[in-house]
Parts: sequence; C-alpha cells; structure tokens
Amino acid sequence: QSALTQPPSASGSPGQSVTISCTGTSSDVGGYNYVSWYQQHPGKAPKVIIYDVTKRPSGVPDRFSGSKSGNTASLTVSGLQAEDEADYYCSSYAGSNNFVFGTGTKVTVL
Amino acid sequence: QVQLQMSDPGQVKPSETLSLTCAVSGYSITSPYYWGWIRQPPGKGLEWIGTIYQSGSTYYNPSLKSRVIISVDTSKNHFSLKLRSVTAADTAVYYCARMMAYCNGDCFLDYFDYWGQGTLVTVSS
Repeated sequence: QSALTQPPSASGSPGQSVTISCTGTSSDVGGYNYVSWYQQHPGKAPKVIIYDVTKRPSGVPDRFSGSKSGNTASLTVSGLQAEDEADYYCSSYAGSNNFVFGTGTKVTVL
Repeated sequence: QVQLQMSDPGQVKPSETLSLTCAVSGYSITSPYYWGWIRQPPGKGLEWIGTIYQSGSTYYNPSLKSRVIISVDTSKNHFSLKLRSVTAADTAVYYCARMMAYCNGDCFLDYFDYWGQGTLVTVSS
C-alpha cells in the first residue's frame, strides 16, 4: 500500500490555528474510522494525539481536534503554542489486515 | 504504566539478519492488546513493519512480509522482530509499541498508544 499524503510543512503564529490534511483512498482513510494522528518531537518517540478520527487520549489538550471528509482526514491545532512545533503523522487501517502511516508534516510555530 | 524497553543491536552487516526484542513491563503481554514494530529511516517518515497478538497471529506490511518474522514469548513478557537479508535501506530507528486492534475474522488495526524509546540500527559492513 502507498503512504497517506500529507503536506510537507505547515506553520502559524502563536495563538493561531493550523490544519493538516491526510489524503488516502476509499481503501484506507475513506473506508474506515480508524484514523489516528501522532506528534513527534525531535529525537523522541511518536505520541498519539487523536485516534478513531476524532477521539483524544486522556491528557491531550482539547486544542487538538480531528475530522474526516471522504478520503481526507484533517488535524487542527487551535491556539498554537511553541511546544506544538513538531512533526505530525496520520495513520489509517488500510484493509486486509494492513496499516499505513502518512508522509508526515513539519509544523513550525513562527 | 506500560513500559517498553528495546534491545540495542547497534550495527548489522549487509545480508545478515536484524534481531530486536521488546520487553514489556507494567502490563502482561497476554492481555487483549496487540504489539507492533515501526521503523523510521533517518530524516524520513514512519513505516509500519508488522503486528502480533499473544496467540501468535501476525500481520505484516506487504512490502516487508517476505523478510520479516515477529514472534512473542509470553513466558518472558516480550516480543521480537527478525528482519533478514538487510541492506543499507533498512537503516532506521526501530520502535516497538502496543497497538489497539479489533479482530473478528478481519483484524482492524487501529492505533499505537505506548511506544518504546526507539533504537537506531545501522546496516553497514
């Protein structure tokens, strides 16, 4: 299967919102509600921040929200803070016992 | 609190087999969760390698399936990865992680919630 497509970069000023897209196909993102998002700071392991399209694990600020329309999922970070500067990856169940990550987006806080 | 501690093979020679073990503490590997391996080449994105259940049922990335074996040892509360015939393209930080999944015939692989610290494996002669 092919990696899900994300924009290489996104940016925003503190307090602003940034939205990252994750585009797949009807065989992965569009076909299941098993889309998740991960935040990865340099040199660290990824951390799940959204799962099942819209759900936030305990401890994740509500500034992070997820949605999906058709074959594209989105992550929105509202009220951008300096510590939100990181790489973000989406993932999805891809059918037939397969799993796929997105290409990754580097978020810069200006 | 679930903790995953990975072994550190460091460097592996081309054509040899990469072997990694992930020791799970604070949680029984026989609980109804799944366990997986992910890798990340330097400066690049994440790639799912495969996932295993305590029963030994495995699910592999089709692009790596011919070279990968994931196994579980419930007596030691750990699971392992073997990747054979490695090349420089297999140089990456390797992570182990716990996975949420829902299986009933098909297995819906959902997300990874707890991750190991990651270990860099370099393939070089």
